[in-house]
Amino acid sequence: QKEVEQNSGPLSVPEGAIASLNCTYSDRGSQSFFWYRQYSGKSPELIMFIYSNGDKEDGRFTAQLNKASQYVSLLIRDSQPSDSATYLCAANTGNQFYFGTGTSLTVIP
Amino acid sequence: DADVTQTPRNRITKTGKRIMLECSQTKGHDRMYWYRQDPGLGLRLIYYSFDVKDINKGEISDGYSVSRQAQAKFSLSLESAIPNQTALYFCATSDGGRYQETQYFGPGTRLLVL
Repeated sequence: QKEVEQNSGPLSVPEGAIASLNCTYSDRGSQSFFWYRQYSGKSPELIMFIYSNGDKEDGRFTAQLNKASQYVSLLIRDSQPSDSATYLCAANTGNQFYFGTGTSLTVIP
Repeated sequence: DADVTQTPRNRITKTGKRIMLECSQTKGHDRMYWYRQDPGLGLRLIYYSFDVKDINKGEISDGYSVSRQAQAKFSLSLESAIPNQTALYFCATSDGGRYQETQYFGPGTRLLVL
């Protein structure tokens, strides 16, 4: 079982819609969780992190964490074509970061 | 200037050659990491270092070695390159804070082993 699992997609949403990306993790000792965006051939760039149960909002992005269900999600409101990328979920266990394989998102104009 | 730099950005080499990938950072972070990324497999940890005297193997360290020359420099070597080491390699740094520790990535090195 992988430490962090994501649906690889592809996920397609129309411009202006809400994109919902999901992630589950296996290590209950994981302390914090991250969402990175990666454009093809480029390095991952941090969108946001969360470590407390509930929601955390930053602009058009909302991260949600449910530790009981070991579930993390990212909502992107008012999706734009520039949001088209692969989104990586990561969990920090304190010693290591574990990354999911990423979900490919396409926002259709 | 970029906080995390990697050299070279692209490299083509032949099977059996020894190559070194270099990473430098100006973020002042103690922790540094090397990952490789392959299509469909995500980011996999090769080695990590929490300070100059600390080196740890990651998930896929076989065929690789590292050197932490200074707080700001962390090099990855392929002693005898093989074609299945063809991948995109990323260096990352982090600040080691407990909950807010975040990894910051370099631009990557695209390696092709023929």
